[in-house]
Amino acid sequence: GENVEQHPSTLSVQEGDSAVIKCTYSDSASNYFPWYKQELGKGPQLIIDIRSNVGEKKDQRIAVTLNKTAKHFSLHITETQPEDSAVYFCAAPRLHGSSNTGKLIFGQGTTLQVKP
Amino acid sequence: GAGVSQSPRYKVAKRGQDVALRCDPISGHVSLFWYQQALGQGPEFLTYFQNEAQLDKSGLPSDRFFAERPEGSVSTLKIQRTQQEDSAVYLCASSHGREQFFGPGTRLTVL
Repeated sequence: GENVEQHPSTLSVQEGDSAVIKCTYSDSASNYFPWYKQELGKGPQLIIDIRSNVGEKKDQRIAVTLNKTAKHFSLHITETQPEDSAVYFCAAPRLHGSSNTGKLIFGQGTTLQVKP
Repeated sequence: GAGVSQSPRYKVAKRGQDVALRCDPISGHVSLFWYQQALGQGPEFLTYFQNEAQLDKSGLPSDRFFAERPEGSVSTLKIQRTQQEDSAVYLCASSHGREQFFGPGTRLTVL
């Protein structure tokens, strides 16, 4: 089954700097990779996702890159702001037999702190 | 529009009590997922519904856990004879495609 590893577990940056979080996955058949942001006391919020037929996707200050050969994908946040401080999770679908029921396997999470 | 809602937001139970956690998905979403999130960890899959059919319950940790979605909308996760190791945040997510949208979760504390 799918296994997702996420690094680093904590990341501290100065406001305005960039932050990069990396994940690796094990199932080469995985084809969808979402990133979630979770603030204290709230549920995970989808911030960006990428499908396996593209290598990069951007949305304002956030971008995700995918390397299918190496089976890893990364979240890039530029011009970080204090409100970016949260826990970030990557995920990949666990395929169930020949179908994809969509259940997600999550990484261990990265606590991002942006210092003003 | 309204997102996924869950109730109660917090639940304290004595060991051995039964609890029921409710999820109201986004209207029209066919797929509904339950996840369990332990402190400091990522969410872990429990079970999946497509409309009223429970297609995957491989993540339920024991037969004390039971989920239903009788009319294909609201779902209830029931935990019988709660144990301390059941303490966690229980998250519900709904989807009409690839994207899963999560509710705020129910924090269960078993004393």
